[in-house]
Amino acid sequence: EVQLVESGGGLVQPGGSLRLSCAASGFRFSRYWMTWVRQAPGKGLEWMANIKEDGSEKYYVDSVKGRFTISRDNAKNSLYLQMNSLRVEDTAVYYCARVPSTNSWFDPWGQGTLVTVSS
Amino acid sequence: DIVMTQSPDSLAVSLGERATINCKSSQSLLYTSNNMNYLAWYQQKPGQPPKLLIYWASTRESGVPDRFSGSGSGTDFTLTITSLQAEDVAVYYCQQYYTSPITFGQGTRLETK
Repeated sequence: EVQLVESGGGLVQPGGSLRLSCAASGFRFSRYWMTWVRQAPGKGLEWMANIKEDGSEKYYVDSVKGRFTISRDNAKNSLYLQMNSLRVEDTAVYYCARVPSTNSWFDPWGQGTLVTVSS
Repeated sequence: DIVMTQSPDSLAVSLGERATINCKSSQSLLYTSNNMNYLAWYQQKPGQPPKLLIYWASTRESGVPDRFSGSGSGTDFTLTITSLQAEDVAVYYCQQYYTSPITFGQGTRLETK
């Protein structure tokens, strides 16, 4: 069974940093693009970043460029999101998801991890 | 950026009746070289992550009931649920994966009347 499990969320002060992890199982992780999507409380979905199978290509939404970094460790079947200079508006549930092919939909999604940025 | 606009924002339908959700993109999602529309639909129930329903605008994901169907091309797309069931109460999102940044519609909340 394909499974994605996020961790690393929590409460952080504005300006702080947090590193999210996504543990993948049930599929050949190194053969897929991966992505992060967030959802602010009571709001819609916002794509954050994508990363190619080998990590050689990364794409970000403008609002997090220079602050967030997506990365992966194929030996550990893990995806990461390093979040720096966090703002109150970054408060959201962060989901990781598999990208079945280049330029495609997201499936499946993890259960998400909540990041709260507050003083 | 491609803007995705869904209508309506919320919808109340009687059980057993048809529900129709629309999604309009600010530019065409039809890639002419393969004649495919880069559009997906997701269902999200409270407290759960989104679940893929439809991709390539009209291809139903494995295991999704056939009462769910997607249609449309270019800039105008529709998700149709024939014979609404109680378990279909959820928020539905369209997504374009034609180009980066990938963008979603604002969501349509579907309730029973």
